[in-house]
Amino acid sequence: AQTVTQSQPEMSVQEAETVTLSCTYDTSESDYYLFWYKQPPSRQMILVIRQEAYKQQNATENRFSVNFQKAAKSFSLKISDSQLGDAAMYFCAYRSDTGRRALTFGSGTRLQVQP
Amino acid sequence: DSGVTQTPKHLITATGQRVTLRCSPRSGDLSVYWYQQSLDQGLQFLIQYYNGEERAKGNILERFSAQQFPDLHSELNLSSLELGDSALYFCASSVGQGDNEQFFGPGTRLTVL
Repeated sequence: AQTVTQSQPEMSVQEAETVTLSCTYDTSESDYYLFWYKQPPSRQMILVIRQEAYKQQNATENRFSVNFQKAAKSFSLKISDSQLGDAAMYFCAYRSDTGRRALTFGSGTRLQVQP
Repeated sequence: DSGVTQTPKHLITATGQRVTLRCSPRSGDLSVYWYQQSLDQGLQFLIQYYNGEERAKGNILERFSAQQFPDLHSELNLSSLELGDSALYFCASSVGQGDNEQFFGPGTRLTVL
């Protein structure tokens, strides 16, 4: 079974600064997808960014980028120019491309943004 | 707005009772996933339906059941409720079975007293 580990329960960053959230995963599969979801106080789950395991290039969405290290099974999220609206829970998630298609989530990292 | 709707938004009930949570997927989406978010267990997958048929099961208790109807809406039935069933229940939908993105509904907050 796949597992996803987020070892940072809480992180804090100053507005306009950069922060990196860590995620590691364990799988024996070669084809899969990785995601970062944001959950603000409204509790809505919002997709931030996704990475296909077969792609070597790291995904980027505006101020959000990932560092995907397939051999190390590491998938970190970098948020640049942090904004107050970035404050939320962030969940790393794994999805197989060959087996079960449901998401396996990590335990989450609560990000605080200090003005 | 993801296009996925869930009703009710909040539900308060007593132990031993039975409740039904409803989910309407985005227009055109055939897959529906149910997830539970609780303080103890975090976010975990319960069950998936695709075009009316059960496709995958996760950590779903025997007291829980689900179905997907011909109009593609889905219901999650929770019975013999216990205090530990209090959680946020999410429904997500995707076009097929292996799409890149699942779109999440706003969730139903269940409180068991």
